[in-house]
Amino acid sequence: AQTVTQSQPEMSVQEAETVTLSCTYDTSENNYYLFWYKQPPSRQMILVIRQEAYKQQNATENRFSVNFQKAAKSFSLKISDSQLGDTAMYFCAFKLGYGGSQGNLIFGKGTKLSVKP
Amino acid sequence: EPEVTQTPSHQVTQMGQEVILRCVPISNHLYFYWYRQILGQKVEFLVSFYNNEISEKSEIFDDQFSVERPDGSNFTLKIRSTKLEDSAMYFCASSAQGPEQFFGPGTRLTVL
Repeated sequence: AQTVTQSQPEMSVQEAETVTLSCTYDTSENNYYLFWYKQPPSRQMILVIRQEAYKQQNATENRFSVNFQKAAKSFSLKISDSQLGDTAMYFCAFKLGYGGSQGNLIFGKGTKLSVKP
Repeated sequence: EPEVTQTPSHQVTQMGQEVILRCVPISNHLYFYWYRQILGQKVEFLVSFYNNEISEKSEIFDDQFSVERPDGSNFTLKIRSTKLEDSAMYFCASSAQGPEQFFGPGTRLTVL
């Protein structure tokens, strides 16, 4: 069975600084996807970034980037130039790559990020 | 930009009552999901639905739960006889051919 672990329940960062959120996962599969979702106080889950396991290049979306270490089964999220609107719960999620889009997401417990002015 | 919608935003019910949570997935999506999040805990998968049938379900999704796509747009989750422990945020999600799942804003279910 696949598991996702986020070891940092809470983190804080000063506005405009950089913060890295950690995520590790466990799987014996070789074909999978990894995601970071953001859940602000409004509670809607918003997709931040995705990474395909077969790609060596780390995904980047504007101020958000990942450090994907497949051998170490590590998938950290780096937020550069943190903004107050980045304050949210961040969930790391795993999805197997087979079965088209039918596979369910497996979530970590989340990291609560507070951006301080 | 198209998005997943859910109604109601908050549902309060008495223990033992039936509730139906409604979702309208993104119109060209083919795969539909329900997840739940008990307050302070992680998001948990309940069920996935494709081609008018359940494709996968978790151990949480017992006989008290059912899903339906009654027409071309709605996707519903029914809980037949609610229990206190069913109190949670319920999220609907949908996806097209790609791996990303797009979530609705959730329905907060409170069972008294």
